[in-house]
Amino acid sequence: EPEVTQTPSHQVTQMGQEVILRCVPISNHLYFYWYRQILGQKVEFLVSFYNNEISEKSEIFDDQFSVERPDGSNFTLKIRSTKLEDSAMYFCASTRDNEQFFGPGTRLTVL
Amino acid sequence: GENVEQHPSTLSVQEGDSAVIKCTYSDSASNYFPWYKQELGKRPQLIIDIRSNVGEKKDQRIAVTLNKTAKHFSLHITETQPEDSAVYFCAASMRYSTLTFGKGTMLLVSP
Repeated sequence: EPEVTQTPSHQVTQMGQEVILRCVPISNHLYFYWYRQILGQKVEFLVSFYNNEISEKSEIFDDQFSVERPDGSNFTLKIRSTKLEDSAMYFCASTRDNEQFFGPGTRLTVL
Repeated sequence: GENVEQHPSTLSVQEGDSAVIKCTYSDSASNYFPWYKQELGKRPQLIIDIRSNVGEKKDQRIAVTLNKTAKHFSLHITETQPEDSAVYFCAASMRYSTLTFGKGTMLLVSP
């Protein structure tokens, strides 16, 4: 069964550094999402992407964040200048219809 | 925007008992209500979902009910087993749109 994949599984970075989180959605899916989950808290929406553009974004998704689909398979989330409070698990998800399939997540630790 | 409230935050049951988790939503336009199970350090996994054109859906030991008028939906797990122990999240969305999650319920099933 096809799955959403994400790399790396764990990223440790210094405050102020740029990070790029990578996702490979399921191949025939058209809608892509990034969510984050701070340890012990609920999953929070960041951004959705359809037809090569952002379709929706949350208040969390400020100018420090950007998303790209650089080729036909990858979907990336970039954080330009990381802050301590960006430490969280970041999940990518994709869907063809309603059911969103989540990747295994990238644990981002900002020191 | 949508707001989803989930109760209880923790639920402890004995193996074989039933467990019920309840959620309410605020946006009457929401029409898709999934439930995710998340084990420690893992991705959220969809266990059951319901669309607004039905009132109840069942899959073996798991069932979900939806009351559109009252804007609440519930997850019912019967004959609970220790492997059901996890955090359960409800969510609400419109088609193709973002998922708004509840805060989660930690279910502990004791042998």
